[in-house]
Amino acid sequence: DAGITQSPRHKVTETGTPVTLRCHQTENHRYMYWYRQDPGHGLRLIHYSYGVKDTDKGEVSDGYSVSRSKTEDFLLTLESATSSQTSVYFCASLDRRPSTDTQYFGPGTRLTVL
Amino acid sequence: TQLLEQSPQFLSIQEGENLTVYCNSSSVFSSLQWYRQEPGEGPVLLVTVVTGGEVKKLKRLTFQFGDARKDSSLHITAAQPGDTGLYLCAGAGGWATSGTYKYIFGTGTRLKVLA
Repeated sequence: DAGITQSPRHKVTETGTPVTLRCHQTENHRYMYWYRQDPGHGLRLIHYSYGVKDTDKGEVSDGYSVSRSKTEDFLLTLESATSSQTSVYFCASLDRRPSTDTQYFGPGTRLTVL
Repeated sequence: TQLLEQSPQFLSIQEGENLTVYCNSSSVFSSLQWYRQEPGEGPVLLVTVVTGGEVKKLKRLTFQFGDARKDSSLHITAAQPGDTGLYLCAGAGGWATSGTYKYIFGTGTRLKVLA
């Protein structure tokens, strides 16, 4: 398994405060993703990165920003947290192989916005 | 917008029974993946199907990709308590100019196998 860690694993914050979630991978994968998981919605893509300093939006990017200054680290920032951003956040990195691209997921961060 | 709908949402069965989970869309996908997720953990890839009509087997699990590459199914034979978990399908959606797919996940099927 690819070594992907997320920090923090749990966080409780208040509405209006900024929050940064960190994802770290040790596999030198080029592509990395941030998803949120909510009941009834499965996993939804927030942002993804295709290289250092190269990022693009997913389907639910409003209210989120990302940064990737090193291959191994991908940060997700909630500029001003809202209660609708209470969710479980997963990071993934992509191992690219012909016909068998594999996303390796981190253990998730449970974020509660009060 | 590409969507993947899974059915059923919840399934509770006895050990030894067979079951099928469906993943359907009106969109065509380049490939489709199935993941299994345990509580408190991230999803883990089980299989990727690429060709329309393709069938793959992983022990007691059989995965099929529809001929038109719009749907897929997961069949479990003789389910065991260890099969309990959340099963997610994911389609490789539009190819981005950045050189990767944007993966679209289904809503998930929560399976519980009773001993």
